[in-house]
Amino acid sequence: DIQMTQSPSTLSASVGDRVTITCRASQSISHWLAWYQQIPGKAPKLLIHKASTLQSGVPSRFSGSGFGTEFTLTISSLQPDDFATYYCQQYISYSAECFGQGTKLE
Amino acid sequence: QVQLVQSGAEVKTPGASVKISCKATGYTFNSRYMHWVRQAPGQGLEWMGIINPNVTSATYAQRFQGRLTITRDTSTSTVYMELSSLRSEDTAMYYCVRSIGGAGENWGRGTLVTVFS
Repeated sequence: DIQMTQSPSTLSASVGDRVTITCRASQSISHWLAWYQQIPGKAPKLLIHKASTLQSGVPSRFSGSGFGTEFTLTISSLQPDDFATYYCQQYISYSAECFGQGTKLE
Repeated sequence: QVQLVQSGAEVKTPGASVKISCKATGYTFNSRYMHWVRQAPGQGLEWMGIINPNVTSATYAQRFQGRLTITRDTSTSTVYMELSSLRSEDTAMYYCVRSIGGAGENWGRGTLVTVFS
């Protein structure tokens, strides 16, 4: 199974900061990567799919990049609503471990 | 707008089965695959399985093989997830998720399953 590793596990930042979260796949997944945001007590929300396609309605301060095994999610200027947990997911080959372990942005 | 309405919370004893429903509205039911994803308390996301509403077969994560059954009823636009031989580690929030090319575009609110002896 393809393993997804996110870093960091926790990220401390302030409103207005530019932040980057990294996700690495144990083998190439082409561009089949999604990013989700989860606020405590809520279902995850899709931010980006196909590595860099911004989901409809998602603010443009969110962006994704990468191909193959290394991917990044960037938030250009943190807003108060952005403090949440972020997950990456590969969907070239489904398994119970297709999600990263999460990055808590605090 | 797309809505995925899941059935209510369940409390089960070890060894029992649970069946959760997910009624889809706001789009053509047969046009999108549906995933099931779960999240144990304080933990990350775990993919369980996927169904193509056009066919009866589903694909499951290896770790759930033999215990998990995903079905659909096209007449009511509802997808079901049944997990058997429940154990305490199955205590989690279970989500149905409408797929967009494989990623999870729309998520239900979740159904909490508590396995408690």
